[in-house]
Amino acid sequence: NAGVMQNPRHLVRRRGQEARLRCSPMKGHSHVYWYRQLPEEGLKFMVYLQKENIIDESGMPKERFSAEFPKEGPSILRIQQVVRGDSAAYFCASSPLGAGDEQYFGPGTRLTVT
Amino acid sequence: QKEVEQDPGPLSVPEGAIVSLNCTYSNSAFQYFMWYRQYSRKGPELLMYTYSSGNKEDGRFTAQVDKSSKYISLFIRDSQPSDSATYLCATTTGTASKLTFGTGTRLQVTL
Repeated sequence: NAGVMQNPRHLVRRRGQEARLRCSPMKGHSHVYWYRQLPEEGLKFMVYLQKENIIDESGMPKERFSAEFPKEGPSILRIQQVVRGDSAAYFCASSPLGAGDEQYFGPGTRLTVT
Repeated sequence: QKEVEQDPGPLSVPEGAIVSLNCTYSNSAFQYFMWYRQYSRKGPELLMYTYSSGNKEDGRFTAQVDKSSKYISLFIRDSQPSDSATYLCATTTGTASKLTFGTGTRLQVTL
């Protein structure tokens, strides 16, 4: 029973390029969450999605960041025109239900902006 | 003030010791409480999930929630070197889905 899958595991981008991070939730889970972890900091919530819907994007920066969870395929977190401050570990989590449910995390994508 | 406070450590204990990890929170709307273990450069792994006040035990791990004092704890009995990791507490309300995390406590269990 595969867990949450994320790819790529490591991503290097130059300033100004686009970064695309992918997340496939656990089988049977329809709720996906994205979190960001900066060095020496805890995990910070970014966005919560269900299939084809953004439910809560209160933690997402207003510019350059977007997320989607299409009817078919993985959830994608997209960062346009990356800057050095975007360098972090990005984790995806999934749950079978929504509010208050247990969230299971993937291995993360480590983004380095040079 | 952060919504969830957690001592970053590091906390170093000898093998076999009982470990106590703690968090405090400020938002009385938080109802669900979780503990995650994160090894270096890995994703967080869910250890314990509790609702409301009380204790929950799972093997060597016991999670304790005291909502009256807004205090949550994780106890690890008979600690092993493989328990060396960062432990993150997390919480959420019954209506929101996002988890609010503490910054994590780094634990080192020595031989």
